[in-house]
Amino acid sequence: KQEVTQIPAALSVPEGENLVLNCSFTDSAIYNLQWFRQDPGKGLTSLLLIQSSQREQTSGRLNASLDKSSGRSTLYIAASQPGDSATYLCAVLTSGTYKYIFGTGTRLKVLA
Amino acid sequence: DVKVTQSSRYLVKRTGEKVFLECVQDMDHENMFWYRQDPGLGLRLIYFSYDVKMKEKGDIPEGYSVSREKKERFSLILESASTNQTSMYLCAIKGQATDTQYFGPGTRLTVL
Repeated sequence: KQEVTQIPAALSVPEGENLVLNCSFTDSAIYNLQWFRQDPGKGLTSLLLIQSSQREQTSGRLNASLDKSSGRSTLYIAASQPGDSATYLCAVLTSGTYKYIFGTGTRLKVLA
Repeated sequence: DVKVTQSSRYLVKRTGEKVFLECVQDMDHENMFWYRQDPGLGLRLIYFSYDVKMKEKGDIPEGYSVSREKKERFSLILESASTNQTSMYLCAIKGQATDTQYFGPGTRLTVL
């Protein structure tokens, strides 16, 4: 059974720092992995999607990498800003299923 | 822009009431999902629909039912609301030709 873990659960950093959020999964037979952002009390916003055949995806200051064999993905945020404060979730779609399995998220606070 | 709307942002109901949560999309996507999100438990799939009148149970379908009479609309029904159904409910969509999930803004349901 696929399990997705995100560590740490919470993170506080000063503005301007580069930071890395981690996502690990137990079954490496994945179809894709998606990173989301969630602001308090709101829905999820898709940030990046990585197919199983890809190693990384980039969008602006965000870069997501995927290492299927080790069951890990990282989300790199460059030059963090207070507006990046949110909860970041990763979700994995295991091959042969329709269900995304979500991690419980990392709550990020960027201090001005 | 993808648009997924949910009928209410906040809802307060009494134990035993029948509750309808509606999700509407404007993307003509085949797949629609209902999740609930609880602190420490992350997002859990309640039901999934891959076509009109088609549905599949997710991980926690007990106490819920769904209806999909039209492609753009997916309803979640709480037949007899209970206090343990107090939660954030999130609707998501995904097309057959795309792997990205798009979420609605969420409905915060409180059952008293």
